[in-house]
Amino acid sequence: DGGITQSPKYLFRKEGQNVTLSCEQNLNHDAMYWYRQDPGQGLRLIYYSQIVNDFQKGDIAEGYSVSREKKESFPLTVTSAQKNPTAFYLCASSINGGDTEAFFGQGTRLTVV
Amino acid sequence: DAKTTQPPSMDCAEGRAANLPCNHSTISGNEYVYWYRQIHSQGPQYIIHGLKNNETNEMASLIITEDRKSSTLILPHATLRDTAVYYCIDDYGQNFVFGPGTRLSVLP
Repeated sequence: DGGITQSPKYLFRKEGQNVTLSCEQNLNHDAMYWYRQDPGQGLRLIYYSQIVNDFQKGDIAEGYSVSREKKESFPLTVTSAQKNPTAFYLCASSINGGDTEAFFGQGTRLTVV
Repeated sequence: DAKTTQPPSMDCAEGRAANLPCNHSTISGNEYVYWYRQIHSQGPQYIIHGLKNNETNEMASLIITEDRKSSTLILPHATLRDTAVYYCIDDYGQNFVFGPGTRLSVLP
């Protein structure tokens, strides 16, 4: 089936460790996005990429890094510099440009202890 | 930051129409109005989008005012499964920015 897959669904890490969240899509979409969601809050944009080998910072990029080496993959690394990494992380993809919706994965819930 | 404003919460009786408003005071000419919803602990689900004209699909109807400064999402016969947070966004499909949304509670 076509879609966007995030793995794992739940992830636990010790404080001070970097952790990489996976996001893969087989929709042939050019654009991909990472969002963070805290309890009771809306989604906040971390990074987005409109084409392979290019990406831009969103509203809350500090403490995060991304790569876009392949069209279908957009991994997010939560570094030790991120002060409050425990959150629900959502990945999305879309065709570039207007008149197009974004498709979301089911999210990864990261808990740092 | 989000460019749209929505009421934080609304209630609707099961079987009745749910009308969710959104203000797009800074929308530009080439930006579309999108609506998504998120059921607890899941990824957001696309509902509908439009540019100028009203739109309808199997899930909902979208009414956009002539000046495009506001829109209304209509769920014609709300069910308990429509309980969710509803987000409106205006964007050119580039970097979807979500606000806090409206928490819709459908009551039996």
